Amino acid sequence: GAVVSQHPSWVICKSGTSVKIECRSLDFQATTMFWYRQFPKQSLMLMATSNEGSKATYEQGVEKDKFLINHASLTLSTLTVTSAHPEDSSFYICSARVGQVQETQYFGPGTRLLVL
Amino acid sequence: GNSVTQMEGPVTLSEEAFLTINCTYTATGYPSLFWYVQYPGEGLQLLLKATKADDKGSNKGFEATYRKETTSFHLEKGSVQVSDSAVYFCALSDRPGGANSKLTFGKGITLSVRP
Repeated sequence: GAVVSQHPSWVICKSGTSVKIECRSLDFQATTMFWYRQFPKQSLMLMATSNEGSKATYEQGVEKDKFLINHASLTLSTLTVTSAHPEDSSFYICSARVGQVQETQYFGPGTRLLVL
Repeated sequence: GNSVTQMEGPVTLSEEAFLTINCTYTATGYPSLFWYVQYPGEGLQLLLKATKADDKGSNKGFEATYRKETTSFHLEKGSVQVSDSAVYFCALSDRPGGANSKLTFGKGITLSVRP
């Protein structure tokens, strides 16, 4: 089946630094990628939707200058958390979709970010 | 707005026990409904889906029926196995099949099955 990888799986950083998370579709080309975040015991919350070669669409309340998304190719999207603070500590999950049908969305295993 | 509510967990069962995980939703229009499963160390995988009222989704012995009158999509399995231990997420999709459709997830529930 289709596989989506994320790197790193776990990252610890100091407050004020920037962290980049990669999301790759390993054996298929993704027209759209999604970024979610999940706090403990909470739902996955959609942060943004990105289409290859165009600007990401951010959900209401998500700071686009804080969470930079680049979707440079059909197999790679990156999320950069700029000037990270402890409140950004969370579990970040990406998914990749082929075509327009929602259920053909393949999820990565997630990245745990801890900001000290 | 759309929302999905799942029963509180975690759930611990013995092998071969009957499983029910409750899920209710709030949505405008006619959403599609999904159950996703996340095994340890892996990404979410689609377990089953239903796209209209009274549809029953099924896979790997799991079933869920789209109940519009009760706005529910409860997940059931007659006899769980240790390998079913995972986190289960209920979700809905607004504007199913549309270009801007999005998934709304419940909080997820952890199922542990002991031998």
